[in-house]
Amino acid sequence: NAGVTQTPKFQVLKTGQSMTLQCAQDMNHEYMSWYRQDPGMGLRLIHYSVGAGITDQGEVPNGYNVSRSTTEDFPLRLLSAAPSQTSVYFCASSYRGRRDEQFFGPGTRLTVL
Amino acid sequence: RKEVEQDPGPFNVPEGATVAFNCTYSNSASQSFFWYRQDCRKEPKLLMSVYSSGNEDGRFTAQLNRASQYISLLIRDSKLSDSATYLCVVNVRNTGFQKLVFGTGTRLLVSP
Repeated sequence: NAGVTQTPKFQVLKTGQSMTLQCAQDMNHEYMSWYRQDPGMGLRLIHYSVGAGITDQGEVPNGYNVSRSTTEDFPLRLLSAAPSQTSVYFCASSYRGRRDEQFFGPGTRLTVL
Repeated sequence: RKEVEQDPGPFNVPEGATVAFNCTYSNSASQSFFWYRQDCRKEPKLLMSVYSSGNEDGRFTAQLNRASQYISLLIRDSKLSDSATYLCVVNVRNTGFQKLVFGTGTRLLVSP
């Protein structure tokens, strides 16, 4: 099992550009989520999904879109990148009844200039 | 006030030492508690759950004090490989939602 995979590992964008961060898992987990991690702050939830076709906003959803067309994939789209979105982004997945035990991907380090 | 607060450290200890971290939480709807470990520039990984009665996993002991709303992690006989950031995580459940709230982490450096 590959677990949770994320691409790309690193990305540099200019302000106003858009891009999609990819996330996939092969554990048949129902629950998937996106977090961002910034210095001095805990991981913050951006969006989450409890199953294919169902998504909802987390704590800091502005500027991001998600969709969940399959159980395996949960891409995160930045609509118009801003310097405030410079961060490390983690995708995570878990069984729906075991959200406590999140399996995280390796992260994407994004810099917006 | 942050929902989950931790001393950022770093805690510098020699190999073989015992070290303890505390974490406080503010939301009384918090129902379950965890410690995650995060190595430098890596993803967080679940270290252990924290049960009301306290629990051990090898050299690691976790305790919960609901009355005072704090959680602790004790590491005995520290190893170099224990060097990492330890994240305190609280699962808050309320009517209609639940969320994991992550602390900012406590950094541990174990030296030879």
